[in-house]
Amino acid sequence: EAGVTQFPSHSVIEKGQTVTLRCDPISGHDNLYWYRRVMGKEIKFLLHFVKESKQDESGMPNNRFLAERTGGTYSTLKVQPAELEDSGVYFCASSRSWMGDTQYFGPGTRLTVL
Amino acid sequence: EDQVTQSPEALRLQEGESSSLNCSYTVSGLRGLFWYRQDPGKGPEFLFTLYSAGEEKEKERLKATLTKKESFLHITAPKPEDSATYLCAVQADTNAGKSTFGDGTTLTVKP
Repeated sequence: EAGVTQFPSHSVIEKGQTVTLRCDPISGHDNLYWYRRVMGKEIKFLLHFVKESKQDESGMPNNRFLAERTGGTYSTLKVQPAELEDSGVYFCASSRSWMGDTQYFGPGTRLTVL
Repeated sequence: EDQVTQSPEALRLQEGESSSLNCSYTVSGLRGLFWYRQDPGKGPEFLFTLYSAGEEKEKERLKATLTKKESFLHITAPKPEDSATYLCAVQADTNAGKSTFGDGTTLTVKP
């Protein structure tokens, strides 16, 4: 069974530019999550999809971040326009159910905003 | 607000020297507590899920235990390949789906 995949693995952009991160969950997992880790801090929750619906987006930092999951398969996280403080590692995770189920993480996308 | 505190921040052991990592948590109704291992440049790798106080799980040299306030990850006779950052996360009844993570414990095992 293939694990969670993320693309790209690294992205370096200038402040003010746009970046789109992609996540492909484990096949059959209806629940998809985005997390991020900024330098020196713990991994923090951004949002949770159940199929194509946003179940919880309480962790999204501001309206420069837009997450989508059309068709309930892969998800994209767009940052527009990017700011310096958006630098960090963005992780995607997926799970079969969402009530206390194990979340399996992807390798992450390291975003650097210059 | 859910909180997870892990200690120590860093732990250096000699190969074969057993020890424990601590994860203290505050949550409004624990739905599940999760242990992950993370190697540099990689995503968290799932180790264990614990659901209720008194529960224990084992895998090779690792054993995870859970009380109402904390969890321990016991490492017996560690090997250099056990070197990694170990992360603890909780899910609460009120926010099921959202995992709250601790800062992690970075374990280094010297041969």
